[in-house]
Amino acid sequence: DSGVTQTPKHLITATGQRVTLRCSPRSGDLSVYWYQQSLDQGLQFLIQYYNGEERAKGNILERFSAQQFPDLHSELNLSSLELGDSALYFCASSGLAGNTGELFFGEGSRLTVL
Amino acid sequence: DAKTTQPPSMDCAEGRAANLPCNHSTISGNEYVYWYRQIHSQGPQYIIHGLKNNETNEMASLIITEDRKSSTLILPHATLRDTAVYYCIVRVRLGNEKLTFGTGTRLTIIP
Repeated sequence: DSGVTQTPKHLITATGQRVTLRCSPRSGDLSVYWYQQSLDQGLQFLIQYYNGEERAKGNILERFSAQQFPDLHSELNLSSLELGDSALYFCASSGLAGNTGELFFGEGSRLTVL
Repeated sequence: DAKTTQPPSMDCAEGRAANLPCNHSTISGNEYVYWYRQIHSQGPQYIIHGLKNNETNEMASLIITEDRKSSTLILPHATLRDTAVYYCIVRVRLGNEKLTFGTGTRLTIIP
């Protein structure tokens, strides 16, 4: 158990809809990262938040947005969903600078768009 | 971050040592070598990391060549549960920086 909690574990929705994925980081971790993994594809970095502020942005579509709340949990919002958005979405967290640089990953949210 | 090259797939017999190579010929002096693995659709799991000295923990050993241009992850007694995709990542060791994953090596442990 990494200590990172993601909900929901599975989500099935239709094209054009909007969904929200939630991530609770490890206790005390200030950074949250979101990754997307499509079928048989690699892990693609989407976005990172550090203590409520956007820290780094990767290949995140304009239809996607994220935020980190004062209690440090994060949400990834996916809108105008397309079939190609079907994927595993992972959240990871990391601690204060000076630690091992390790990221702790949740078990993912599997999104299926029909 | 330096680019890494790994073989796409490898097989290893159960109970034998699995040796997974990684080439990182453009590594900089302040960059560390990290290894993660992903067991079928689960979240990636940290295995080990090192700078220039060989490292060992309860999961694996990491051997880094003297010129630091390549490394080998060793799983000393592979079990079926070690079947996974293994990622070698090179980056500066900072507490709050993203990881960039390549395609990794798909390791299959054969009974």
